[in-house]
Amino acid sequence: ETGVTQTPRHLVMGMTNKKSLKCEQHLGHNAMYWYKQSAKKPLELMFVYSLEERVENNSVPSRFSPECPNSSHLFLHLHTLQPEDSALYLCASSQESTLAGGGAQYFGPGTRLTVL
Amino acid sequence: TQLLEQSPQFLSIQEGENLTVYCNSSSVFSSLQWYRQEPGEGPVLLVTVVTGGEVKKLKRLTFQFGDARKDSSLHITAAQPGDTGLYLCAGRTSGTYKYIFGTGTRLKVLA
Repeated sequence: ETGVTQTPRHLVMGMTNKKSLKCEQHLGHNAMYWYKQSAKKPLELMFVYSLEERVENNSVPSRFSPECPNSSHLFLHLHTLQPEDSALYLCASSQESTLAGGGAQYFGPGTRLTVL
Repeated sequence: TQLLEQSPQFLSIQEGENLTVYCNSSSVFSSLQWYRQEPGEGPVLLVTVVTGGEVKKLKRLTFQFGDARKDSSLHITAAQPGDTGLYLCAGRTSGTYKYIFGTGTRLKVLA
């Protein structure tokens, strides 16, 4: 138990569906992240929120839409996905005091997404 | 583009053997983390190193950050089946929130 929870753990959706992934952190951290993990590829950073403001956006397609309503919750809204979007989606949080270093990330268990 | 190359990609060893995993880059990082990930779960943080030349020990695991802060190694002594998993290194550049993850080393320790 890392203090970061994700729901659902598994999700199967059609290309025309709309769904949302939820992440909650119980660590009092001030930054939250979405990553995509595909087979045979390194973890890809998708979005970063610090103090509820999006500070990194790694050229992610607009069919992925993040939302951070407060420092403990992070959502990833999905619509009209493609089969190649099937992957493990990981949420992480960290405590950022400076950008000089530290702030190790703590990951949730992930949502295994399959797009049919 | 920043890259972190890990080697080896795959490693299958017998219980009790020693091993070293390497994480190399041409970029300088302000900090570097090592994680272990098991199937169906998220990565779990093992250690953070921030100073060039730093060595940290976690029971049978020894982590080293290169003097130039471009590379790192993880050494496991007397590996056990419980060490089986995907080992990931992740580097962070000063002034950014972005972590660059390595390509991963999949370790299997046979009883």
